[in-house]
Amino acid sequence: KAGVTQTPRYLIKTRGQQVTLSCSPISGHRSVSWYQQTPGQGLQFLFEYFSETQRNKGNFPGRFSGRQFSNSRSEMNVSTLELGDSALYLCASSLEGFNTEAFFGQGTRLTVV
Amino acid sequence: AQSVTQLDSQVPVFEEAPVELRCNYSSSVSVYLFWYVQYPNQGLQLLLKYLSGSTLVKGINGFEAEFNKSQTSFHLRKPSVHISDTAEYFCAVTGYSSASKIIFGSGTRLSIRP
Repeated sequence: KAGVTQTPRYLIKTRGQQVTLSCSPISGHRSVSWYQQTPGQGLQFLFEYFSETQRNKGNFPGRFSGRQFSNSRSEMNVSTLELGDSALYLCASSLEGFNTEAFFGQGTRLTVV
Repeated sequence: AQSVTQLDSQVPVFEEAPVELRCNYSSSVSVYLFWYVQYPNQGLQLLLKYLSGSTLVKGINGFEAEFNKSQTSFHLRKPSVHISDTAEYFCAVTGYSSASKIIFGSGTRLSIRP
């Protein structure tokens, strides 16, 4: 079966702009979670959506938001981009949540200039 | 709240030698524990997980880990490594509740020397 698909793979944006990243989970998975990975901060949890509802949220400013659609596809939005938002953004899907196996996409590499 | 500490940021080993990557966690509640591997320019892949039951957990690619509740550890081991095991390894913890967040360790970079 198809894996988790993240689009686009690479993105370059200018400070102050906004960006939307997309994640298509594995068919049948209802939980989608997002992570930011940087060399300095490591892998940090952004938020988790389950059946279109945000169930968990990490410690990120309100500029980071997301949503999940009825087909479980999820989008993540970052507004007013800052240089420090440059990172690899990973999405993972699972059947029910963190206690079931999470499958990760290859990520979107965002560079803010 | 939970936290995870990976004690080694880098571990160099020779090919076919055994390896242990250390992970300690802190939590006031019962936890699920995971090890993930990340190859260059890739997402994370689950190696193994501890949910309950036997404390010795076997995963993919010949890896295994032992859950030690008294020492709050979940060390990852492999008896003989290969060049293809070169990657970054992440330990992670989450609580039982669906409201629990997942916390990742800072990662251990495993480099295999021929």
